[in-house]
Amino acid sequence: QKEVEQNSGPLSVPEGAIASLNCTYSDRGSQSFFWYRQYSGKSPELIMSIYSNGDKEDGRFTAQLNKASQYVSLLIRDSQPSDSATYLCAVNTGGSYIPTFGRGTSLIVHP
Amino acid sequence: DAGVTQSPTHLIKTRGQHVTLRCSPISGHKSVSWYQQVLGQGPQFIFQYYEKEERGRGNFPDRFSARQFPNYSSELNVNALLLGDSALYLCASSDITGVGETQYFGPGTRLLVL
Repeated sequence: QKEVEQNSGPLSVPEGAIASLNCTYSDRGSQSFFWYRQYSGKSPELIMSIYSNGDKEDGRFTAQLNKASQYVSLLIRDSQPSDSATYLCAVNTGGSYIPTFGRGTSLIVHP
Repeated sequence: DAGVTQSPTHLIKTRGQHVTLRCSPISGHKSVSWYQQVLGQGPQFIFQYYEKEERGRGNFPDRFSARQFPNYSSELNVNALLLGDSALYLCASSDITGVGETQYFGPGTRLLVL
């Protein structure tokens, strides 16, 4: 059973702080990793993908991948109240085109 | 370019009825996937179609079926609806990149079964 684990939260951070969201996965053959943002009542929206160990930055977002430890994280710098949403981690194993999603972490950014 | 579109946006049905949900992928995308999302959970995989062939099926009963048309649009059908089928149904389209297949979601169809 391929599993993707996320702390459901909520994670509460003050405006302007760094929010750190974590995700662990069970399948060592996993090769593709994705972070999605989902506002309440809306569909998931892709933030970024990462495939290689290390960091990948896109604006205020940084994805970090550590395949040896089987975790992927998302850092949000200068958090804004508009970042308040559920963040979903999704993982594709090698040879599979079908991602497995975690249950998501709820982030609350308070002014 | 238009993103993934889904119809209808909302639907109310009663137990035992049948429902058909529709999805049009992003132009140029040949793969369509269907997911069910209940409150507090991540999307659960139902089906994936590529070039009109079923490429994957999740752990859902046979009441759930789907198909993909020559223009790559897709339908999800659910028969004999149960209260537990109430959920947000998401369609995602993707294009094989060779590195990783990124899924782009439509707005979803919210189904309520009474």
